[in-house]
Amino acid sequence: DSGVTQTPKHLITATGQRVTLRCSPRSGDLSVYWYQQSLDQGLQFLIQYYNGEERAKGNILERFSAQQFPDLHSELNLSSLELGDSALYFCASSPRYTPKYFGPGTRLTVL
Amino acid sequence: GQQVMQIPQYQHVQEGEDFTTYCNSSTTLSNIQWYKQRPGGHPVFLIQLVKSGEVKKQKRLTFQFGEAKKNSSLHITATQTTDVGTYFCAGVSSFGNEKLTFGTGTRLTIIP
Repeated sequence: DSGVTQTPKHLITATGQRVTLRCSPRSGDLSVYWYQQSLDQGLQFLIQYYNGEERAKGNILERFSAQQFPDLHSELNLSSLELGDSALYFCASSPRYTPKYFGPGTRLTVL
Repeated sequence: GQQVMQIPQYQHVQEGEDFTTYCNSSTTLSNIQWYKQRPGGHPVFLIQLVKSGEVKKQKRLTFQFGEAKKNSSLHITATQTTDVGTYFCAGVSSFGNEKLTFGTGTRLTIIP
């Protein structure tokens, strides 16, 4: 158990819909990262927040947005969903700037 | 942008044989990390290497960071069925925003 929690575990939705994925970092960690992993693919970095502020952006689509709240939990919002958005979405946390501890992931299926 | 490649993409070995995966970055790295992801699981942090030429061991696993800090390797001696999974390296570039870029991964399967 990494100490990073993600909800929900599974999410099934339809194209065009909007969903919100939630992540709670390990206690004391200020950084939260979001990664996308498509079937049998590597991990694509989406975005990083540090203590509430956006710190780095990766290959995040304009339809996706994220934020980190004062209690340090983070949410990833995915809108106008397409079939290709089906993937595992991982959140990771760390005390500072390099991710270390990954959550169990949210499996998103877009039908 | 920074790219991190791993070879091989897949490796099937007989139980008890050794296994090595290689990681190459297009840019110099300040540090490199290795992760293991079991089928259906999440990446689990194994180790971080920081110094040029650094070698670290964890039981049957040996991790090496190249002298030029652009490549790394993971060697497993006498594989066991519990070693099954995908091994990812992930590097932090020496230039810029400390973003961690994951390699393409090597999927290891063990033939009992």
